[in-house]
Amino acid sequence: GENVEQHPSTLSVQEGDSAVIKCTYSDSASNYFPWYKQELGKRPQLIIDIRSNVGEKKDQRIAVTLNKTAKHFSLHITETQPEDSAVYFCAASMPGGYQKVTFGTGTKLQVIP
Amino acid sequence: GAVVSQHPSWVICKSGTSVKIECRSLDFQATTMFWYRQFPKQSLMLMATSNEGSKATYEQGVEKDKFLINHASLTLSTLTVTSAHPEDSSFYICSAIRGLALWDEQYFGPGTRLTVT
Repeated sequence: GENVEQHPSTLSVQEGDSAVIKCTYSDSASNYFPWYKQELGKRPQLIIDIRSNVGEKKDQRIAVTLNKTAKHFSLHITETQPEDSAVYFCAASMPGGYQKVTFGTGTKLQVIP
Repeated sequence: GAVVSQHPSWVICKSGTSVKIECRSLDFQATTMFWYRQFPKQSLMLMATSNEGSKATYEQGVEKDKFLINHASLTLSTLTVTSAHPEDSSFYICSAIRGLALWDEQYFGPGTRLTVT
């Protein structure tokens, strides 16, 4: 099955700085890569996703890059704000039945005011 | 937008009893629902995939006789934790997929925190 690794496990940045979270996946058949933000005790929320037919996608302060050859993808948050503090999960999904998603181990991001 | 609800939001039960958790898609019909378990400071671990009218597909290591899943309609899936034990205490989250497109987004429920005493 798919295995998704995520680094770092914790990340502290000063407000206004950028944050980068990296993930690698094992199965080259994976073709959909969502990123989720989860605040303590709450549901994961999709913040951005990327399909395998593109290499980069941006939405305001958030961007995701995908390197299919190397099987890794990254989340970039620019101009970080305290409200960006949360746990972020990357995930990978393969085509076929039921669109099962495998989550990474999570990154706890702390933005220091 | 697509809304998924879960009930109850939290539950405390005694060891040996069973607990049922409901997952509902409120404004859409869900072709597929997923059940996850999340331990403190850990990732979401998929337990099973549920499709309306068919048996759930369980992930390796998940006991299907302990975690009973019933997907009776396109808007409701239930997870019953049978003979619960303290090690079953966790945050259980469901998600639902609205359509049939290959990359349809998963919509997550708010989660149910189960504590077994």
